[in-house]
Amino acid sequence: AQSVTQLDSQVPVFEEAPVELRCNYSSSVSVYLFWYVQYPNQGLQLLLKYLSGSTLVKGINGFEAEFNKSQTSFHLRKPSVHISDTAEYFCAVSDRMNTGFQKLVFGTGTRLLVSP
Amino acid sequence: GAVVSQHPSRVICKSGTSVKIECRSLDFQATTMFWYRQFPKQSLMLMATSNEGSKATYEQGVEKDKFLINHASLTLSTLTVTSAHPEDSSFYICSAAVTGGQADTQYFGPGTRLTVL
Repeated sequence: AQSVTQLDSQVPVFEEAPVELRCNYSSSVSVYLFWYVQYPNQGLQLLLKYLSGSTLVKGINGFEAEFNKSQTSFHLRKPSVHISDTAEYFCAVSDRMNTGFQKLVFGTGTRLLVSP
Repeated sequence: GAVVSQHPSRVICKSGTSVKIECRSLDFQATTMFWYRQFPKQSLMLMATSNEGSKATYEQGVEKDKFLINHASLTLSTLTVTSAHPEDSSFYICSAAVTGGQADTQYFGPGTRLTVL
């Protein structure tokens, strides 16, 4: 079974500063990895995903993440944040060994708070 | 593309009544839809996986008789909360997986906030 750990429940940062949101996963098989963003009272929007290939994945809104197999991590980064990036960010993992669509297992989320 | 809608966005009901939530994929066909539940300031918990034309697969601990799921077409899945009670109050989110798309690309709806009085 997979699990996802987001150690930081909340990350405060000033506008235009860089940010890193940490995600570590545990799995006995190869995985797909995802980052989603959730704005208040809304569903989740896919930021980026790692399926295979290059370990550095670029997503929307200037975010990127790097898959590190040896450290079982998939940290999310942005070089310069905006006020509008304030939201809840979820890391998720799914099992890539089975065919078809697999379940996503989510971390507990990290709230990014960007202040002026 | 890949837009998923949910209706209603917010519903308040009395204890003991049933509530139906619709999830639609607007511009693509989804053979598989997922229903999640999210409590305040917590992560999403998968409730069930719904495949078009077949019975839903429920996660452990989810009462299938209480949370009825119907996936009648490739663009519509419904979740009915039967005999709702205050503890069923939550944010319910659906997602739809793109038919023939790359594995595990789920597109999420905006969610439905259910409040049971």
